[in-house]
Amino acid sequence: QKEVEQNSGPLSVPEGAIASLNCTYSDRGSQSFFWYRQYSGKSPELIMSIYSNGDKEDGRFTAQLNKASQYVSLLIRDSQPSDSATYLCAVNPLEGSQGNLIFGKGTKLSVKP
Amino acid sequence: DGGITQSPKYLFRKEGQNVTLSCEQNLNHDAMYWYRQDPGQGLRLIYYSQIVNDFQKGDIAEGYSVSREKKESFPLTVTSAQKNPTAFYLCASRGSRNTEAFFGQGTRLTVV
Repeated sequence: QKEVEQNSGPLSVPEGAIASLNCTYSDRGSQSFFWYRQYSGKSPELIMSIYSNGDKEDGRFTAQLNKASQYVSLLIRDSQPSDSATYLCAVNPLEGSQGNLIFGKGTKLSVKP
Repeated sequence: DGGITQSPKYLFRKEGQNVTLSCEQNLNHDAMYWYRQDPGQGLRLIYYSQIVNDFQKGDIAEGYSVSREKKESFPLTVTSAQKNPTAFYLCASRGSRNTEAFFGQGTRLTVV
């Protein structure tokens, strides 16, 4: 059974701080990795995708991937109250799950003004 | 605009009734998915379809049925056999195996 693990939180950070969200996965051959943001009562929206080791930056967001450690993270710089949401990590495994994305259960982030 | 449209946004059903949730996409994606999300829980896969006229059961298919007669459409029927159908239902699509999934706005189903 392929798994994606996230700390459920809540993770609480003050406004302006860096929020660090972490995700580990079990399938060493996983190919692609995604971060989604889900506001309460809304559907998930894609905020970052990463395919190779290293960092990928997009505005205030940085995704970090370490395939050797089977670890992917999302950093949010200058956190804003509007960043308060649940963040879902999704992984595309090499084998199994019929090619379907495997989602973690999400980390709830709360940014305090 | 390209995207995924789910309807209705809110749906109320009496116990013992079947109900069908609509999902339409104009992204020309081959793969489509139905997920269920309960409060404070992650996404659970109900059914998926990787090509027209073919679909597969996910992790929690019991009490649900789907069809995929057109590439653009993947409706989900919640049958009376589903014992606890109150939940938030999400439809998604993907263009290919290694790409991201895009979600519709969801349908919140309540059994009254």
